[in-house]
Amino acid sequence: EAGVTQSPTHLIKTRGQQVTLRCSPISGHTSVYWYQQALGLGLQFLLWYDEGEERNRGNFPPRFSGRQFPNYSSELNVNALELEDSALYLCASSLRGSSYNEQFFGPGTRLTVL
Amino acid sequence: AQSVSQHNHHVILSEAASLELGCNYSYGGTVNLFWYVQYPGQHLQLLLKYFSGDPLVKGIKGFEAEFIKSKFSFNLRKPSVQWSDTAEYFCAVIPGANNLFFGTGTRLTVIP
Repeated sequence: EAGVTQSPTHLIKTRGQQVTLRCSPISGHTSVYWYQQALGLGLQFLLWYDEGEERNRGNFPPRFSGRQFPNYSSELNVNALELEDSALYLCASSLRGSSYNEQFFGPGTRLTVL
Repeated sequence: AQSVSQHNHHVILSEAASLELGCNYSYGGTVNLFWYVQYPGQHLQLLLKYFSGDPLVKGIKGFEAEFIKSKFSFNLRKPSVQWSDTAEYFCAVIPGANNLFFGTGTRLTVIP
């Protein structure tokens, strides 16, 4: 069974640009989560989508947004990039949004903002 | 602020040494607790989890963790580490809601 996939693997952007990251969950999973892993800060929860709806978001500015498509894949959009947005962006999926369902993580997209 | 704390940033051990990684959280009420591991070049994967019941939980690869409610702690242990345990370990908490809050991680280096 294929795991969570993310694209692209690496991305280099400049300040002020916009970026879109993509995630495909494990087949049968309806929930997708986005996390930011910045150096020295651990993983910070960004967004949670389930059944196409945004269920919760972390403490990030509105320029971080996303959506979930009918096939449960998801996009994370970051507008007006800032240097501190440089990080590894991880996507995870689970059967559905429940504390009892394990989240499975993808390999991440490494974003560098120059 | 509510948080998950991992006080050990980098731990270096020789093979066969015992391991204990600390994790404390500051959320009240019911919590679900997790330890994730990220081996070099690999994805984050679940090591073990606690939802309820026996506060001593066993995970994969000989790891275990003990939930001590009074101390808001969920420390990870392994009696005898191997070189292959070299990885980054993350404690995580779901405090009632469905957001997974992670600690900053502990890098474990095991010297052969």
